[in-house]
Amino acid sequence: EVELVESGGGLVQPGGSLRLSCAVSGFTFSGSWLAWVRQAPGQGLEWLANINQDGSVKNYVASVKGRFTISRDNAKNSLYLQMSSLKSEDTAVYFCTRDRAAGTHDYWGQGTLVTVSS
Amino acid sequence: QSVLTQPPSVSGAPGQRVTISCTGSSSNIGASDHVHWYQQVPGTAPKLLIYEIINRPSGVPDRFSGSKSGTSASLAITGLQAEDEADYYCQSHDISLNAYVFGSGTKVTVL
Repeated sequence: EVELVESGGGLVQPGGSLRLSCAVSGFTFSGSWLAWVRQAPGQGLEWLANINQDGSVKNYVASVKGRFTISRDNAKNSLYLQMSSLKSEDTAVYFCTRDRAAGTHDYWGQGTLVTVSS
Repeated sequence: QSVLTQPPSVSGAPGQRVTISCTGSSSNIGASDHVHWYQQVPGTAPKLLIYEIINRPSGVPDRFSGSKSGTSASLAITGLQAEDEADYYCQSHDISLNAYVFGSGTKVTVL
């Protein structure tokens, strides 16, 4: 059974940092592109970043480039999102996903809520 | 403001056919066969519904179908059922933004 379990969300002050983790099981982690997608309260989905199988290729949406860093540890079957200089508009549920090919997100975690507020 | 525009809502009676449009541009839908659709029941994670314009993952009923024409894509639901009540999102890659983009989302209501 495929499982993606995000953790690390919570309340953080504007300008602060947070690291999200995603523990994966049930498919070949080291053979898969992975991605982060977020959803602000009551809003739509926003693709944030993806990373290739060995971590050598990373892509970001403009709104988080330079502030967020996606990474992975194939030995631990884990995906990460380091977030810094957080703003109130970063408040959202953050999902980790598998990108099967060309943006086809076939597996999703349940999401972790990040709230940026003073 | 999403670069892919969807109607905020569509509705239909059980058994009817509804369609959801996704309007993009030559930088995204018009330039790619990588157009996907997701279904999201509020409070849960999105579920892949259609990939590469027309393909259904295993387990998705054939009541759901996708198509594309020029810079727009569409999702059709035939034989609408109560369980189809959810939010639906289209997705494509935008070559100008060099990023994947989602549509604004459409809420389907079964009357």
